[in-house]
Amino acid sequence: QVQLQESGPGLVKPSQTLSLTCTVSGGSISSGSYYWSWIRQPAGKGLEWIGRIYTSGSTNYNPSLKSRVTISVDTSKNQFSLKLSSVTAADTAVYYCARARDGYNPDDYWGQGTLVTVSS
Amino acid sequence: EIVLTQSPATLSLSPGERATLSCRASQSVSSYLAWYQQKPGQAPRLLIYDASNRATGIPARFSGSGSGTDFTLTISSLEPEDFAVYYCQQRSNWPPEYTFGQGTKLEIK
Repeated sequence: QVQLQESGPGLVKPSQTLSLTCTVSGGSISSGSYYWSWIRQPAGKGLEWIGRIYTSGSTNYNPSLKSRVTISVDTSKNQFSLKLSSVTAADTAVYYCARARDGYNPDDYWGQGTLVTVSS
Repeated sequence: EIVLTQSPATLSLSPGERATLSCRASQSVSSYLAWYQQKPGQAPRLLIYDASNRATGIPARFSGSGSGTDFTLTISSLEPEDFAVYYCQQRSNWPPEYTFGQGTKLEIK
């Protein structure tokens, strides 16, 4: 069974770049027609889709974040990554990585999430 | 941008009762509508996709219905483990992007 695990700094300073990695185990990131996503959730609030990547490198982003987001994939490490630039306190959230079985279906496997706090 | 509005914000029911949760879209999303369950400290869990299809391993007491702009998640007889927050999610065709509703908290009465 596929498992996803987020990793990265738990504290980022304002104006810096938030960088997270999702490591996929139990299957190859490049097999099938899977899409790999990032979603975030501020404390006590709802879910916000950040973007997704196909193993070909094709990406889709939330228009409200598009200017600051980059999602990439490293098939040799079975990982995909999120970079969010120019962060502010409003970017403080639990960040989840997730997998969808194709470009039309929702995410059916999720990581446990990692809290990122933006503070000086 | 398609906006999803969930109602009610909070639903207070007892175990064994029937729960009906609503999700309304600001414009038609066809049948691309998913439902997730989230418990405190946990990642969301996919319950329903394509408005009415149960995800793998989801009990039959969960069912989804609707199309276009109005969707419903029904839990036929609440179990203690069903008390959680529920989110609906839609996918736009082009460009592909996803939005979530604000959630409905299902609490024990």
